[in-house]
Amino acid sequence: DAMVIQNPRYQVTQFGKPVTLSCSQTLNHNVMYWYQQKSSQAPKLLFHYYDKDFNNEADTPDNFQSRRPNTSFCFLDIRSPGLGDAAMYLCATSREGGWGTEAFFGQGTRLTVV
Amino acid sequence: TQLLEQSPQFLSIQEGENLTVYCNSSSVFSSLQWYRQEPGEGPVLLVTVVTGGEVKKLKRLTFQFGDARKDSSLHITAAQPGDTGLYLCAGVGAGGTSYGKLTFGQGTILTVHP
Repeated sequence: DAMVIQNPRYQVTQFGKPVTLSCSQTLNHNVMYWYQQKSSQAPKLLFHYYDKDFNNEADTPDNFQSRRPNTSFCFLDIRSPGLGDAAMYLCATSREGGWGTEAFFGQGTRLTVV
Repeated sequence: TQLLEQSPQFLSIQEGENLTVYCNSSSVFSSLQWYRQEPGEGPVLLVTVVTGGEVKKLKRLTFQFGDARKDSSLHITAAQPGDTGLYLCAGVGAGGTSYGKLTFGQGTILTVHP
């Protein structure tokens, strides 16, 4: 059974048109992460929530925003997608941030910008 | 910022050969995880190592966490074509602004030829 679910699996958006990617989890984990992954590269952390506390990476563009309305859901908003934003976007969760933390990933949303 | 240096980035070997992938950092991590990722899918957790000096085995895969909790290695014995994929190490921050944050190494693309 899928525990971290990302929708949609594939998203095509127009250059400059806002797009939202969604992530839901059934694990009741308090930490949720958004990563950007380009072809054959490691995932790059964009931001993460520790409960309601939002932690933005210093090099995450302002074009990327996130919302976490409750424990189960987290959204990634790209306000004005550019061609360089085409990538796989991965959502992950973990129970806490302490020792032995394990992260569980969704299958990802592949974003294409046309 | 906690950085993980993963090497080698590319590895192409013949079936039956052994290989080792390394993950090194100057930072201490509360735990370190190894993932395997297939094209178009999210990373799948292989193992989490928590204790300095810990060794874990998963069939033909052996994972080791350094005594100082700063480095790790993945050794595959008698590699098979089914082992082909992207292998990622990821460390969980132990404190400060990196507490609980999951940071990835650059990844190793492994190709095992029949």
